Amino acid sequence: GAVVSQHPSWVICKSGTSVKIECRSLDFQATTMFWYRQFPKQSLMLMATSNEGSKATYEQGVEKDKFLINHASLTLSTLTVTSAHPEDSSFYICSARVGSRGEKLFFGSGTQLSVL
Amino acid sequence: AQSVSQHNHHVILSEAASLELGCNYSYGGTVNLFWYVQYPGQHLQLLLKYFSGDPLVKGIKGFEAEFIKSKFSFNLRKPSVQWSDTAEYFCAVNENTGGFKTIFGAGTRLFVKA
Repeated sequence: GAVVSQHPSWVICKSGTSVKIECRSLDFQATTMFWYRQFPKQSLMLMATSNEGSKATYEQGVEKDKFLINHASLTLSTLTVTSAHPEDSSFYICSARVGSRGEKLFFGSGTQLSVL
Repeated sequence: AQSVSQHNHHVILSEAASLELGCNYSYGGTVNLFWYVQYPGQHLQLLLKYFSGDPLVKGIKGFEAEFIKSKFSFNLRKPSVQWSDTAEYFCAVNENTGGFKTIFGAGTRLFVKA
């Protein structure tokens, strides 16, 4: 199956700093990628839809100025958590959509962000 | 707003027991339905999906799910579980409008005792 690589897998940062998370589709092109956030013992919460070459579409309640998404190529989407605070600590997962109807999502391994 | 509800957060079964995990969604339009599985230490992966046609769909590893439109349900079943089925199972829905963004249920953790 298709492979989605997500880096880093774990990051610790100081409050007020910015953190960039990368999501790459290794053996296919992904015009659409999704970014999810997962709190402990809760489901994946969709944060935004990342479309190659255009602005991301954010879900209600997600601050677009805080969670910057860039999808500059067909194989790479990045999520930057700007001015991170402890409440941003969470598990972030990216996925790439395959198929025009989203027949399949391939997931990255996730990034555990801890903000001190 | 679209939502997905999974009835059980934790399920413990013995090997060879039958499994049924409940999933209900709230959306009146045309939806596509999925079950994803996450084995310990691994990525989420697709177990099965329903788009149209026969409402009883079969997936990998002996799993199946039945779409009952009148009940807005898409329950996952397996006649006889194995220890290797220990994992977390997520029901998910996307809709034909809105960019096919996929919404997930809270997940059900299944533990199968050997």
